[in-house]
Amino acid sequence: SQKIEQNSEALNIQEGKTATLTCNYTNYSPAYLQWYRQDPGRGPVFLLLIRENEKEKRKERLKVTFDTTLKQSLFHITASQPADSATYLCAGILSGGYNKLIFGAGTRLAVHP
Amino acid sequence: GAGVSQSPSNKVTEKGKDVELRCDPISGHTALYWYRQSLGQGLEFLIYFQGNSAPDKSGLPSDRFSAERTGGSVSTLTIQRTQQEDSAVYLCASSEGRQPQHFGDGTRLSIL
Repeated sequence: SQKIEQNSEALNIQEGKTATLTCNYTNYSPAYLQWYRQDPGRGPVFLLLIRENEKEKRKERLKVTFDTTLKQSLFHITASQPADSATYLCAGILSGGYNKLIFGAGTRLAVHP
Repeated sequence: GAGVSQSPSNKVTEKGKDVELRCDPISGHTALYWYRQSLGQGLEFLIYFQGNSAPDKSGLPSDRFSAERTGGSVSTLTIQRTQQEDSAVYLCASSEGRQPQHFGDGTRLSIL
């Protein structure tokens, strides 16, 4: 079945370092990947979208890559801050279809002062 | 402007009862989605509405689950004869066409 996999272990990093989160997909080829942030007790908030023909996308301190050969997306937060602590969700969309997202379970990031 | 609003924010009910969850999408958004999120799990797609088209119900886990969207705006998700495995956070999202989705904060449903 179509799957999005994210590292279930929490990622702990020191403030100021770069956080890198991984998203792998299997049994399908998403045309788009989206990254969302989710805080406890809140709904996900959209951060970035990257298309399969884009290698890299940036927004302020965020950077996303999309490697269709490795079937992987990497999400980077540079100069991380404690306020970046949250769960980050990766989601894929098929081409030609509507906006139906297949989500990964998310990776929890903790940035320590 | 206002975001996606869901009510109630929390619902506790006894096994076997029916529950109704409400979603007010962002005004003008034609697409509306329901997801379920169990503890430590990703979001599980339930149902999708787009304009006046027939909804995609392919994610509904059983015939105890149903959803309506009236007038292309407010949506209700109904779970009949609730079971303990229905306990989860139910999230609603809306979007304009294929733009990224905007989520509400969910309804946390607990079945005793």
